[in-house]
Amino acid sequence: EAGVAQSPRYKIIEKRQSVAFWCNPISGHATLYWYQQILGQGPKLLIQFQNNGVVDDSQLPKDRFSAERLKGVDSTLKIQPAKLEDSAVYLCASRAPELFKTQYFGPGTRLLVL
Amino acid sequence: GENVEQHPSTLSVQEGDSAVIKCTYSDSASNYFPWYKQELGKGPQLIIDIRSNVGEKKDQRIAVTLNKTAKHFSLHITETQPEDSAVYFCAASRWNTGNQFYFGTGTSLTVIP
Repeated sequence: EAGVAQSPRYKIIEKRQSVAFWCNPISGHATLYWYQQILGQGPKLLIQFQNNGVVDDSQLPKDRFSAERLKGVDSTLKIQPAKLEDSAVYLCASRAPELFKTQYFGPGTRLLVL
Repeated sequence: GENVEQHPSTLSVQEGDSAVIKCTYSDSASNYFPWYKQELGKGPQLIIDIRSNVGEKKDQRIAVTLNKTAKHFSLHITETQPEDSAVYFCAASRWNTGNQFYFGTGTSLTVIP
């Protein structure tokens, strides 16, 4: 079974630029999550999708972050414009629909904003 | 919301010794507690998990214990090996609220050969 795929793996941009990250979850996983992991901290949820609908985006800075999962499979997370404090690893995770199934994480995209 | 605290933040052990990492949680409704291992440059990988109807679970050299009354759970690694060196995260979750995971701040484990 293929794991969660993410690209790019690394991105360096200057502040005020835009950036987009892509995630392809495990096949059949209806739930998809985007997390932000700042250096030295645990992952923090940004947004959760169930199929192509948003379940929870309460911690997403909506003035600059956006995410979509149009066909209920792949997802993109965008930052526009980026700030220095957005430097972090952005993790995508997915979960099967059955009860008590855990989340599986991708390798993450490491973003550095200069 | 849920608040998960994790201790210690760093831990060094000699190869072959045991390592214990402890987490506490605040939401008594949390009922699922996974542990993840994160190696440098990689995403977190699930190593063991426990549900609230179980007090202990073991998988070879790894075990997790849960005390619902005290709201804490612990990861135990026995006979540590250098390849166990990584950052370990605990998490807590309520299955009936969409399974959002609340993570601890991580423990950097170093196993000294």
